[in-house]
Amino acid sequence: AQSVAQPEDQVNVAEGNPLTVKCTYSVSGNPYLFWYVQYPNRGLQFLLKYITGDNLVKGSYGFEAEFNKSQTSFHLKKPSALVSDSALYFCAVLTLNTGFQKLVFGTGTRLLVSP
Amino acid sequence: EAGVTQFPSHSVIEKGQTVTLRCDPISGHDNLYWYRRVMGKEIKFLLHFVKESKQDESGMPNNRFLAERTGGTYSTLKVQPAELEDSGVYFCASSQWTDLYQETQYFGPGTRLLVL
Repeated sequence: AQSVAQPEDQVNVAEGNPLTVKCTYSVSGNPYLFWYVQYPNRGLQFLLKYITGDNLVKGSYGFEAEFNKSQTSFHLKKPSALVSDSALYFCAVLTLNTGFQKLVFGTGTRLLVSP
Repeated sequence: EAGVTQFPSHSVIEKGQTVTLRCDPISGHDNLYWYRRVMGKEIKFLLHFVKESKQDESGMPNNRFLAERTGGTYSTLKVQPAELEDSGVYFCASSQWTDLYQETQYFGPGTRLLVL
């Protein structure tokens, strides 16, 4: 079965410092990986995805993620954190089966950026 | 372009009552999905429509849940009768139908359901 794991419930970082939110995956076949963010009282917003190609994927709001096949990881990164980045981040893998498709999510990581 | 919209944003009902959630997908998106997040756990898939047809309803928890998609446009998710464990946030998402199955799913703001 396809799955993703987010090992940290919360990540704390000071504004201006680099941030990393970790995600590892377990899939059979090609991995299609996504990051979504949920700001307080808002829905899930798409950040970026890896389908194929370059291992470094750039997304919205200055975020990027690095696909590492040997480590089965897809960590989310940003060079310089902002207080406004504080939110709940979800990693997800798309499962495909002959036209059936659904996202399988991790448990989420709360990012807290302090001023 | 309008995003995915959901109504209501919040619903508080008593155990045994009925609640109907509505989702309007992005215009032109044939794929429509329902997910839910219960008690701060992971977000879980409920079902997938392609136009008006149910493509996959393997995530529906039991027969108290009924989803419809009239004319392939908006969708409703009815819970009847509601139980305490149904409390959570119900998300709707939509995506384009293409030969590339990896189309991005765009989510709505969710409906927060509380069953007392």
